[in-house]
Amino acid sequence: AQSVSQHNHHVILSEAASLELGCNYSYGGTVNLFWYVQYPGQHLQLLLKYFSGDPLVKGIKGFEAEFIKSKFSFNLRKPSVQWSDTAEYFCAVKGETSYDKVIFGPGTSLSVIP
Amino acid sequence: GAGVSQSPSNKVTEKGKDVELRCDPISGHTALYWYRQSLGQGLEFLIYFQGNSAPDKSGLPSDRFSAERTGGSVSTLTIQRTQQEDSAVYLCASSHRNNYGYTFGSGTRLTVV
Repeated sequence: AQSVSQHNHHVILSEAASLELGCNYSYGGTVNLFWYVQYPGQHLQLLLKYFSGDPLVKGIKGFEAEFIKSKFSFNLRKPSVQWSDTAEYFCAVKGETSYDKVIFGPGTSLSVIP
Repeated sequence: GAGVSQSPSNKVTEKGKDVELRCDPISGHTALYWYRQSLGQGLEFLIYFQGNSAPDKSGLPSDRFSAERTGGSVSTLTIQRTQQEDSAVYLCASSHRNNYGYTFGSGTRLTVV
């Protein structure tokens, strides 16, 4: 069965610090991978997605993620965080067929201190 | 519409009552999901509709929960005999078959008192 784990439940950083949020998945096949963000009081938004090709994926707002197939990982990174990046971040995985469902990780809460 | 629309945005109901939550996906999106997000928790998969295929109901927590999707568009999630543990934000998402970036609605916050 598919599953997604995220390494940290809550991360606290100062502005300008670098960010890396860990994500590992379990799935016996080709996957599509996603990171979603939920800002306080807002609905979930897609940050970036990986389907195939270059394993380094660039998303909105300076975020990027690297798919490492051998490690079943899809970690999210940003070189310099801002206070406005304070949000909940969810990693998600889906099998490659249209009949596979998207499974979300438990989320990581990021707090950026000005 | 321009986005995924969910109604009502908030619902307070008494324990034991039935509730219906509605999701209006983006026009043309064939895939529709329901998830549940409890306070401080991640997203719990409930049910998945893909085109005319039989829905994947594997995430429904009990037989009090059911969902339907009429005409491949609007979906209704029904919770019968609500319990306090049903209190959560119920999220709907939709996607075009060939685009796996899902668009989420704003959710329905259900409170069972």
